[in-house]
Amino acid sequence: DIQMTQSPSSLSASVGDRVTITCRASQSIGGYLNWYQQKPGKAPKLLIYAASSLRSGVPSRFSGSGSGTDFTLTISSLQPEDFATYYCQQSYSTPLFTFGPGTKVDIK
Amino acid sequence: QVQLVQSGAEVKKPGSSVKVSCKASGGTFSSDIFSWVRQAPGQGLEWMGRIIPILDIANYTQKLQGRVTITADKSTSTVYMTLSSLRFEDTAVYYCARVERSSWSNNFYYYMDVWGKGTTVTVSS
Repeated sequence: DIQMTQSPSSLSASVGDRVTITCRASQSIGGYLNWYQQKPGKAPKLLIYAASSLRSGVPSRFSGSGSGTDFTLTISSLQPEDFATYYCQQSYSTPLFTFGPGTKVDIK
Repeated sequence: QVQLVQSGAEVKKPGSSVKVSCKASGGTFSSDIFSWVRQAPGQGLEWMGRIIPILDIANYTQKLQGRVTITADKSTSTVYMTLSSLRFEDTAVYYCARVERSSWSNNFYYYMDVWGKGTTVTVSS
């Protein structure tokens, strides 16, 4: 089974900060990596698919990069509505998916 | 625009079963793929399984194999998730999601782009 890890598990940041979240796979997964944002009490929302493709309607301050085992989600200038938990998810082993444990971004 | 409407909250006894529904509208149900994801209180997301209605093929995470069943009713565009032999640790919010796919360079990329609002299942004696 492919295991996903994320770092950090949580971070505190200020509005306007550049934020980077890392996701690592236990084996190479090519570019089969998606990113989701979840706010408390709400369903997750897709941000990035195929490692670097920005979903339509998602602000351009979000970007994804990486391939193989190491991936990053970057928020170029953190906005108040970006305080949330972010999850990576691999689809390399389709039909079986795996999520990372999540990274909580809160206000410093 | 695909929308997914899930059934209401459930309270179940340990050892019983729960069946959660997810009705899709606005898309082409039979050709879509649907997943179920759950989230225990204060915990992360756990992918449970998926179904391809047009093929009636379902796949499950090994952890829940034997306890989870995902089915689809093409006549009502509804996907169901049944979890049996419920345990206290099955208390969670259960989400259905549409699995979209994009292809380029002969590769298919799958991602969950539309989500239901979630169904809370509480297992309590």
